[in-house]
Amino acid sequence: GAGVSQSPSNKVTEKGKDVELRCDPISGHTALYWYRQSLGQGLEFLIYFQGNSAPDKSGLPSDRFSAERTGGSVSTLTIQRTQQEDSAVYLCASSLTSAGAYNSPLHFGNGTRLTVT
Amino acid sequence: AQKVTQAQTEISVVEKEDVTLDCVYETRDTTYYLFWYKQPPSGELVFLIRRNSFDEQNEISGRYSWNFQKSTSSFNFTITASQVVDSAVYFCALSFSGNTPLVFGKGTRLSVIA
Repeated sequence: GAGVSQSPSNKVTEKGKDVELRCDPISGHTALYWYRQSLGQGLEFLIYFQGNSAPDKSGLPSDRFSAERTGGSVSTLTIQRTQQEDSAVYLCASSLTSAGAYNSPLHFGNGTRLTVT
Repeated sequence: AQKVTQAQTEISVVEKEDVTLDCVYETRDTTYYLFWYKQPPSGELVFLIRRNSFDEQNEISGRYSWNFQKSTSSFNFTITASQVVDSAVYFCALSFSGNTPLVFGKGTRLSVIA
């Protein structure tokens, strides 16, 4: 498809289990972002990949969260030992170059709704 | 600190009314970029507009218009003659340079009632 693809669309897991969320960005987009959207909290930045540069991990809420981007394309966000407060919609976005570039708006996927029971 | 504030959590209007969504930002940078995104019930965020800090011209696109005022650090969004399809959550966002992620406000949920 032409858009950002995220899988799974929904994930229910038990507290303490690990989960992996996948993002397929738009082909050719060098920048990839993960955001978390909790009810009433807006979009919270998690991590940002730009080309071959070291990722900006400044938004990751704890060391239980990690992400990687293989081959400059697909990205996986991993949450270890999930907690109930991790329940949210996890959104992935990609852009052609960087976020501020004029013709490089972010394109978002539909998100993965994570529920930790 | 860099911050985006959307003070209106929820707004409800009757179809054909005009509505303005407020956005106030904080930054110490002289170069920055402001954005509006729409998140319809389907969930996918849709880019609406980007404005850089050196361009204070207001912009109109159909029923949408944006008013950027550096003096008040505001980037407000007006929908004229609102329609039911405008019902969505609208996010204002800020980026401080070409290589920093967007900082989003908490969003304003707009409901347009027929």
